[in-house]
This record gives sequence, C-alpha cells and structure tokens, in this order.
Amino acid sequence: GPKVLQIPSHQIIDMGQMVTLNCDPVSNHLYFYWYKQILGQQMEFLVNFYNGKVMEKSKLFKDQFSVERPDGSYFTLKIQPTALEDSAVYFCASSPGTGGDERLFFGHGTKLSVL
Amino acid sequence: GQGVEQPDNLMSVEGTFARVNCTYSTSGFNGLSWYQQREGHAPVFLSYVVLDGLKDSGHFSTFLSRSNGYSYLLLTELQIKDSASYLCAVRDLLSAGNKLTFGIGTRVLVRP
Repeated sequence: GPKVLQIPSHQIIDMGQMVTLNCDPVSNHLYFYWYKQILGQQMEFLVNFYNGKVMEKSKLFKDQFSVERPDGSYFTLKIQPTALEDSAVYFCASSPGTGGDERLFFGHGTKLSVL
Repeated sequence: GQGVEQPDNLMSVEGTFARVNCTYSTSGFNGLSWYQQREGHAPVFLSYVVLDGLKDSGHFSTFLSRSNGYSYLLLTELQIKDSASYLCAVRDLLSAGNKLTFGIGTRVLVRP
C-alpha cells in the first residue's frame, strides 16, 4: 500500500541544537501532519498542513517549531532550539483529502533523543 | 472540550474475541477511526465510522453510538499476531484539515 517515509529513524541531539525531521508523504496526498508520541502515552497532534500553509496547530507546537514543504519535496519539522521535553517519537502522516477518504497514512516515526 | 478515553490493556485468548471500548466527547462529532499500532511501528488504518450502528469488516467490526459518545472495535477469531495497540481517534467538525484526536490506545495481548 501507499507508504510514508521518515528520515532519520533515530536522531540524537544536544539540547539547544537545531534538528530537522524529514517526511516523504504519499504522492498526490494533499494533507500532511505531525504527531508527537512519548513512550506509553497517547499520540498527540502537533500540526497539519495544506496547500503550503499551516491549517491548525496545537499548544504543543511551540514557537521553536516550524514546518514547511518547499516545492513539493520533503515535508519537514524543524525544532530550533531543542529542549529536553522534545524527546519523543515524531510521526508524520498524510491523507488524500479528497473523495471522502478519511485514512491517515503514517510513517514509522523518528525517535528524537535530546540530551 | 475534546477527549478520547480507552482502557489501557486487554487480554484475551487465541480463537476467541476481544472488544476494545472507546468513549469520546467532542463539540462537533465528524467521524471516528480505529488504527492498529504494533510496537515500534506506524499506526495502520483499520476502520472509519460516522453513522450509528455496526460495520462489519470481516476479521473485525466497529460499532458507533453517537448519542452515547461510544464506539467499540470487535476483533473475532483472535490470532496471536493480533496482539498490538488499538487506537481510537475522533475528528471534530470545528477542526480544520482532518485533525484527529487520539486516545491512549488499548494494548491487546492475545495468549495461546
């Protein structure tokens, strides 16, 4: 089936540094998402993105976070600067957004460890 | 406000069934989805319901009661490989762009 790819699978970074998480969504999908999951806790919505713009963001999407998808390439989540509480698995997802197809297709996640 | 509640764990026996319950509160219900997530893997879409009643998809069925803010996922003829977390997620009418609010996920363990 359609696949969402996330690169890297694991990122270790020192607190205060910048990190960029990359996502290659399903081609021809129109909506893109980032979710954050801390081990043993629920998947929490960060942001969704459509037509080059952020549509909605949660309180977890701090000022240090930004997203973009330049020229239809990777959909990225940038954190600058990182904080200890940013350690989590970040899941990217995409959805068709058309024809009443409600499915979200998730990547395998990027585990971010902030030291 | 919006919230999705699920039990943390559920244990069942191979060959029998498991019912994963989900209750939710939302200011404007616009559909409920179920996802399966194995340890260290991506959540995988199972089912979407927006109308009341039972939806049969073979190995599993999903039920929805909008008036009670309640859904369940019923897994039948359980196999060991059905052991996974099952996530309930709700979409809100007021939300832009198909944002889903997830429950914590119910960890189903199928034993021989």
